[in-house]
Amino acid sequence: QKEVEQNSGPLSVPEGAIASLNCTYSDRGSQSFFWYRQYSGKSPELIMFIYSNGDKEDGRFTAQLNKASQYVSLLIRDSQPSDSATYLCAVRGGGSYIPTFGRGTSLIVHP
Amino acid sequence: DTGVSQNPRHKITKRGQNVTFRCDPISEHNRLYWYRQTLGQGPEFLTYFQNEAQLEKSRLLSDRFSAERPKGSFSTLEIQRTEQGDSAMYLCASSHGTGYEQYFGPGTRLTVT
Repeated sequence: QKEVEQNSGPLSVPEGAIASLNCTYSDRGSQSFFWYRQYSGKSPELIMFIYSNGDKEDGRFTAQLNKASQYVSLLIRDSQPSDSATYLCAVRGGGSYIPTFGRGTSLIVHP
Repeated sequence: DTGVSQNPRHKITKRGQNVTFRCDPISEHNRLYWYRQTLGQGPEFLTYFQNEAQLEKSRLLSDRFSAERPKGSFSTLEIQRTEQGDSAMYLCASSHGTGYEQYFGPGTRLTVT
């Protein structure tokens, strides 16, 4: 069974700091990796996706993928209180369009 | 570009009643997915359509659940004889034929009393 693991948190960081969110996965054949942000009571919003080893940057967000170690991380620079949310990691294996989601990490950015 | 829409946004029903939800995907997205999410959990896959064909269905999906996408555009998810354990957020997502990124609608929150 494919598993995606995330620390449920909460992860608390001060405003302006770098928030680091981590995700590990069990399926070595995984090919696509996604980060979603979900505010309380709302639906998930896609913020980053990465398919190749290394880093991918988009504004204040950086996704880092290490397939050999089977982990993917999300860095949020200059964290703002509005970044406070649950961050879901999703991993897609080869031969399927269906990703497996982790349970999410709660992030709190305090002023 | 119009995003994924879902109706209704909220539904309260009594145990044993049938409910139906609708999802309109992003235009030209040929793949459509249904998920269920409960508090503290990530979205759980229910079923998936490519155009009008239902290509995959979760083993966790009981026979009380059925989904359709008759013309390859909008989709409906029906739950028959609802149970209290069906209370959850039901999410719909869509993706374009050339990509794997899924975009979610606002969800339908179901409460079974």
